[in-house]
Amino acid sequence: DGGITQSPKYLFRKEGQNVTLSCEQNLNHDAMYWYRQDPGQGLRLIYYSQIVNDFQKGDIAEGYSVSREKKESFPLTVTSAQKNPTAFYLCASSISKTNEQFFGPGTRLTVL
Amino acid sequence: EDQVTQSPEALRLQEGESSSLNCSYTVSGLRGLFWYRQDPGKGPEFLFTLYSAGEEKEKERLKATLTKKESFLHITAPKPEDSATYLCAVQDPGTYKYIFGTGTRLKVLA
Repeated sequence: DGGITQSPKYLFRKEGQNVTLSCEQNLNHDAMYWYRQDPGQGLRLIYYSQIVNDFQKGDIAEGYSVSREKKESFPLTVTSAQKNPTAFYLCASSISKTNEQFFGPGTRLTVL
Repeated sequence: EDQVTQSPEALRLQEGESSSLNCSYTVSGLRGLFWYRQDPGKGPEFLFTLYSAGEEKEKERLKATLTKKESFLHITAPKPEDSATYLCAVQDPGTYKYIFGTGTRLKVLA
């Protein structure tokens, strides 16, 4: 089955730690995205990548980092510089930058 | 600045009671308007893409329509399983970034 997988489903982090969220897709999509979702707010774009080895900052990139070394993978690192990281994180992909996005199941990150 | 506004924020319907959700947008040069359904604790599920005013798309009890300034998601004779948050998004024509609304939380009562 083709799709987008995110792991882990739940993640707990102590303050001061960096954590990495995994996102993998086997849809052969060129573009991949990371969003953050908080209660009562729309999805906010963290980073996006339209081709391998290239990515751009979204609207709330501070405290986050990404890499795109393979077409299938777009991991997100939440660094200790992110002051309020507790949120639901969603990864998405699309065939190209002009097509609809398909989302993974999400990772819920909680800072203890 | 590009914006997407969805209304109402929340909607409660009786089973079989048809209604519409609204998504108004301000973007110069619409590339696409997208509707998604999101269940609690899950990722959004793609429903429809609309590209031009007058376009309509249907899927089971859902029908999406588009004008130059807004889109409607019509729900005909809803069932409890239609309960979810419905999200609308547009694509910025310059950056290709997607701009999401805050969603409409729909609850259909049996």
